Amino acid sequence: DVKVTQSSRYLVKRTGEKVFLECVQDMDHENMFWYRQDPGLGLRLIYFSYDVKMKEKGDIPEGYSVSREKKERFSLILESASTNQTSMYLCASSLFELKNIQYFGAGTRLSVL
Amino acid sequence: GQQVMQIPQYQHVQEGEDFTTYCNSSTTLSNIQWYKQRPGGHPVFLIQLVKSGEVKKQKRLTFQFGEAKKNSSLHITATQTTDVGTYFCAGPGAGGTSYGKLTFGQGTILTVHP
Repeated sequence: DVKVTQSSRYLVKRTGEKVFLECVQDMDHENMFWYRQDPGLGLRLIYFSYDVKMKEKGDIPEGYSVSREKKERFSLILESASTNQTSMYLCASSLFELKNIQYFGAGTRLSVL
Repeated sequence: GQQVMQIPQYQHVQEGEDFTTYCNSSTTLSNIQWYKQRPGGHPVFLIQLVKSGEVKKQKRLTFQFGEAKKNSSLHITATQTTDVGTYFCAGPGAGGTSYGKLTFGQGTILTVHP
């Protein structure tokens, strides 16, 4: 079974803090994604990566950056957290050959106070 | 950017009733995916549709892809309490089709009353 592991299930941070969300997948997938999920808005893509050190902006990249130094790990960084970044963050991965089948982690619920 | 619109946003049904959610795109989709997210859980892939007019079934779930490949539907026959959750459709994202970038609909939240 594919396993996508997110480092924290719940996180509480202060406005202005630098926040790191970590995601690790164990199936050698080329593609990795970060989404945020808000009620009524579905899943919105923040950033994705198709290879080590490669990254592409998604639909809502403002206020976020990412890092992919190893194939199995994709990190989402909030440089200076703001209250409007309070949300559920979901990481996903997919194989290049089966690119539309994404496997999701359990999610990190981030609260910025 | 490319948008996939999904309706309804909410659906409450009595156990045993049928349920349908619809997904519409303003542009032709090369494929469409459906995911289910249980309450408190994460999205799980259900199915992919690729061909015009394609119909696929998974037990009580029937998935359709429109002839024009601009819309899709998921129909559940005789809902059960295990069907509760949010159902998402997802089409290829603009500019990232080579890498599996997806654009998700807003989702339909299904509640089943026993």
